[in-house]
Amino acid sequence: SQKIEQNSEALNIQEGKTATLTCNYTNYSPAYLQWYRQDPGRGPVFLLLIRENEKEKRKERLKVTFDTTLKQSLFHITASQPADSATYLCALDPLYNQGGKLIFGQGTELSVKP
Amino acid sequence: DAGVTQSPTHLIKTRGQQVTLRCSPKSGHDTVSWYQQALGQGPQFIFQYYEEEERQRGNFPDRFSGHQFPNYSSELNVNALLLGDSALYLCASSFFSGDNTEAFFGQGTRLTVV
Repeated sequence: SQKIEQNSEALNIQEGKTATLTCNYTNYSPAYLQWYRQDPGRGPVFLLLIRENEKEKRKERLKVTFDTTLKQSLFHITASQPADSATYLCALDPLYNQGGKLIFGQGTELSVKP
Repeated sequence: DAGVTQSPTHLIKTRGQQVTLRCSPKSGHDTVSWYQQALGQGPQFIFQYYEEEERQRGNFPDRFSGHQFPNYSSELNVNALLLGDSALYLCASSFFSGDNTEAFFGQGTRLTVV
């Protein structure tokens, strides 16, 4: 069956450390994978998109990797801050680049302690 | 530039009733997707509208229907409400360029069915 899974446990880290979140998928061949941030009671906010032919993408303190062999994406936040505390969602397009629906993981809750 | 706006923000309905949720997409966007997000879960795709037609649909019953208007705004209708329909309903807009672009989400409508 098709699945997209993220770290089920909440992630608690100390301010200044690097947070690493995992997204694994099975039985999909996505053209790209996206990462979103969601604060309580709010809609998700787009952070980064990485395409299947890209190994790594960076944006300020964020870094995403995409391994289509392992069927895994890793999301890193370096020099984490308490303001980074939120739920992070990964999502893919199951219909390969048809600009359609997104399938989301269940999200990983990140808490950064001062 | 207004982003995606949804109304109402909160709604309480009785089991068996019908509800209509509304969404105005981000300026310049022509595609609207609707998602249902249960507590602690990732968003689940309901359907997507483009050019006033339902373009893709997720695994939701026919009680869930929608509409897109010529100005690209959209409505989500749910008939015969069940307790299990209680969730955050998210609208996302994007531009159907044929390329993969990020989705811009509204703040959501919190529906409670009692």
